[in-house]
Amino acid sequence: GDSVTQMEGPVTLSEEAFLTINCTYTATGYPSLFWYVQYPGEGLQLLLKATKADDKGSNKGFEATYRKETTSFHLEKGSVQVSDSAVYFCALADGSSNTGKLIFGQGTTLQVKP
Amino acid sequence: NAGVMQNPRHLVRRRGQEARLRCSPMKGHSHVYWYRQLPEEGLKFMVYLQKENIIDESGMPKERFSAEFPKEGPSILRIQQVVRGDSAAYFCASSPATGSNTEAFFGQGTRLTVV
Repeated sequence: GDSVTQMEGPVTLSEEAFLTINCTYTATGYPSLFWYVQYPGEGLQLLLKATKADDKGSNKGFEATYRKETTSFHLEKGSVQVSDSAVYFCALADGSSNTGKLIFGQGTTLQVKP
Repeated sequence: NAGVMQNPRHLVRRRGQEARLRCSPMKGHSHVYWYRQLPEEGLKFMVYLQKENIIDESGMPKERFSAEFPKEGPSILRIQQVVRGDSAAYFCASSPATGSNTEAFFGQGTRLTVV
């Protein structure tokens, strides 16, 4: 079945460092891809999405490009802030069933130190 | 437009009791999803409902768990005879339509602790 794999955390960076969180997926068909962020004690918020190959999603300085050839959707940010500390989840929407059901990676904790 | 509302935020139950988790979707949203997040893990899909119908329950445990989304009122996730392994955060999400391109909006979750 469909699956999502993320790099293990925690990822610890200093403020203003460059961030990459790797995400690869296995899917039949053409899924949509998402990055969600979860702040402590909160629910998930959509950070960005891409619905087809070569699309780039971007929001709040974060970017990710839908790479069909490498089945990847890596999250990047050029300069992280302490306020970016959170858990980041890569997810895909099951394209075969078209129900909107999301399949999540295990999450990557980001810690940004001043 | 209020977001997805879940209550309670925290719920403590003794082993063998029943847990009832409520989710009110965003206004105008008729599609509800329930996910479970075990400690240090990602979210796992449990069930997808539309008003009065269960569309996909492939992620629901076969026993003790049930879900409903009545014509009026919130969606309810019910866990009977809870066990310690049910301790987790349960998240509800809603969307205005179905489809892989449609954004789902998440509630803040209910954190269930079974003692």
